[in-house]
Amino acid sequence: GENVEQHPSTLSVQEGDSAVIKCTYSDSASNYFPWYKQELGKRPQLIIDIRSNVGEKKDQRIAVTLNKTAKHFSLHITETQPEDSAVYFCAASSSGNTPLVFGKGTRLSVIA
Amino acid sequence: EPEVTQTPSHQVTQMGQEVILRCVPISNHLYFYWYRQILGQKVEFLVSFYNNEISEKSEIFDDQFSVERPDGSNFTLKIRSTKLEDSAMYFCAGTPSGVGELFFGEGSRLTVL
Repeated sequence: GENVEQHPSTLSVQEGDSAVIKCTYSDSASNYFPWYKQELGKRPQLIIDIRSNVGEKKDQRIAVTLNKTAKHFSLHITETQPEDSAVYFCAASSSGNTPLVFGKGTRLSVIA
Repeated sequence: EPEVTQTPSHQVTQMGQEVILRCVPISNHLYFYWYRQILGQKVEFLVSFYNNEISEKSEIFDDQFSVERPDGSNFTLKIRSTKLEDSAMYFCAGTPSGVGELFFGEGSRLTVL
């Protein structure tokens, strides 16, 4: 089955700096790669996703890149703000009803 | 905006007791999932449910677990005889089509003493 590895497990950045979180996946059939943000005690919420037919997607300060050959994808947050502090999870799944497999999460702290 | 709702928000139970966690999915969703998250750890897949039957389950989803959609709206997860290691946050989630964004409920925190 699919295995998703995520790094780093914790990340501290100064407000205004960029943050990058990286994930690798094992199943070459995977074609859907979302990123979820989870604030303390809350549910995971989708912030951006990418499908395998594109290499990059951007939404304001957030971008995701995908390298299908290397089987890795990354989340980039620019101009970080204190409210970006949360745990971020990457995930992967293939088409159909295959469930999402999540990485172990990255705890991002943005220091004002 | 419609949301996935879960009850109870928190349940404390004694080891060996049965627990039922309930979820009301978004009305146009057809694919349903239960995930669990042990405190501070990743979100782990338990089971997926479509067309009134289990479509996939993980190794975690052993004989102590069962899912039902008893009345066409509620979606339940039953743990027959709870163990200490079942203590976790349990999330119900759904999608309209089986691919794309998972919509999570707020979760049910289970504490087994």
